[in-house]
Amino acid sequence: LAKTTQPISMDSYEGQEVNITCSHNNIATNDYITWYQQFPSQGPRFIIQGYKTKVTNEVASLFIPADRKSSTLSLPRVSLSDTAVYYCLLGFQKLVFGTGTRLLVSP
Amino acid sequence: DAMVIQNPRYQVTQFGKPVTLSCSQTLNHNVMYWYQQKSSQAPKLLFHYYDKDFNNEADTPDNFQSRRPNTSFCFLDIRSPGLGDAAMYLCATSRGTRGEGYEQYFGPGTRLTVT
Repeated sequence: LAKTTQPISMDSYEGQEVNITCSHNNIATNDYITWYQQFPSQGPRFIIQGYKTKVTNEVASLFIPADRKSSTLSLPRVSLSDTAVYYCLLGFQKLVFGTGTRLLVSP
Repeated sequence: DAMVIQNPRYQVTQFGKPVTLSCSQTLNHNVMYWYQQKSSQAPKLLFHYYDKDFNNEADTPDNFQSRRPNTSFCFLDIRSPGLGDAAMYLCATSRGTRGEGYEQYFGPGTRLTVT
């Protein structure tokens, strides 16, 4: 299975845009890219999924370049409640969680 | 309304005493998964069921078993819990395992303590 690499942690302030990049050099042709958010003592929650180009939903955008070797989760105008761990996953038949990025949003 | 329900939320068991964790879903999804998540680590897939077909991960210890008696319910059995099995156990469901729409819906987890 292809491996993902994310920054271990990021800091931001309320109202800022946060971009978390995930590297996946060995992504397989069939792999989709999925991002999950996890709060302490809760199960992960699906944020967004994409295959190529750009995907946007009500909470985030996902940017995927043409070579698909990386992806960027963009969170517009973060709030304190966005403090969480964010996981980038690749998968077609099953998902493997990487180490995740711990985002801390401060006032 | 809760879609993936796990009971209990907290479970304490003794070293070597069998324990069962339960998961139910109201989504009518075909696939149900069990993950183990230890403190400050990412969730690790133990196994999953696609309908009645059981799919075990190669590195899942034999101590962990699962049952899925019907679409809605799935159980995780730990036959002889060791101290190293203390963790959060997460149940998840998905409609399928291929392609778009593969997102998983997670329950709140059961935190297992082994004394």
